[in-house]
Amino acid sequence: GAGVSQSPSNKVTEKGKDVELRCDPISGHTALYWYRQRLGQGLEFLIYFQGNSAPDKSGLPSDRFSAERTGESVSTLTIQRTQQEDSAVYLCASSLLRDYEQYFGPGTRLTVT
Amino acid sequence: GIQVEQSPPDLILQEGANSTLRCNFSDSVNNLQWFHQNPWGQLINLFYIPSGTKQNGRLSATTVATERYSLLYISSSQTTDSGVYFCAVERYGNKLVFGAGTILRVKS
Repeated sequence: GAGVSQSPSNKVTEKGKDVELRCDPISGHTALYWYRQRLGQGLEFLIYFQGNSAPDKSGLPSDRFSAERTGESVSTLTIQRTQQEDSAVYLCASSLLRDYEQYFGPGTRLTVT
Repeated sequence: GIQVEQSPPDLILQEGANSTLRCNFSDSVNNLQWFHQNPWGQLINLFYIPSGTKQNGRLSATTVATERYSLLYISSSQTTDSGVYFCAVERYGNKLVFGAGTILRVKS
C-alpha cells in the first residue's frame, strides 16, 4: 500500500474489556514495530517483528499485552483486561529491513473509561 | 540504554524566522531520524540522517556522528511548521529511542 494504515482510528472501551488494534505495514516491509504515546509525551517502544517472529518484546508493559503478525503482513496488538493507564495513542511503524528508516501509521487513540 | 536529549523543549517563532533544533545522544548510532508530529498526531518523516547533511526545501539537517549530535534547521518558518519535532536514534539492532521532542509554535 501507499503507507502504513491502522484501525480503528479511535477506540473507546470500558475498563476490563479486551481490545484488538490492527496495523497494515507498507507492502514489502519486513520489519514492523509498535509504539505507545501517552498524552504530551514521547514514544515508547513496545515490540518489534521481523517477519512473523518477535525477537524483541522488551517494551511490552505487562502480560496483558500481546501481539502477533501474519507473515510479513498484518499485525494485531491485543490488550486484555484494559486499565485506565492503557489510554494512549498506539502507533505502528514499518521499515524495509531492521535498522532502516521507519514509517509510521496514523495511530489508534485508545480511551479506557 | 541510549539517552536522547532535545533542545529547546519549547520554541515560539514569528512567521518568517529561522530556527535550529538540537538532538544530543549518548552513544554511537546507526540510525537517526527526525520527525514532525502535526497537530493531528501524524508522525511525518523529515530526515533519515545517521551522518552527514541533507536538505529538503526549507528544512535541512546535519548529524555529526563522532560528536553525537544532530541539528535540524528550519528556515523562513510558516504556521504549518507548528507541531512537535522528534529526534529518534537506533543503536545497532536495538529499538528506536525517541527524545522528548521540541514543541514549535509559529505565529502569523
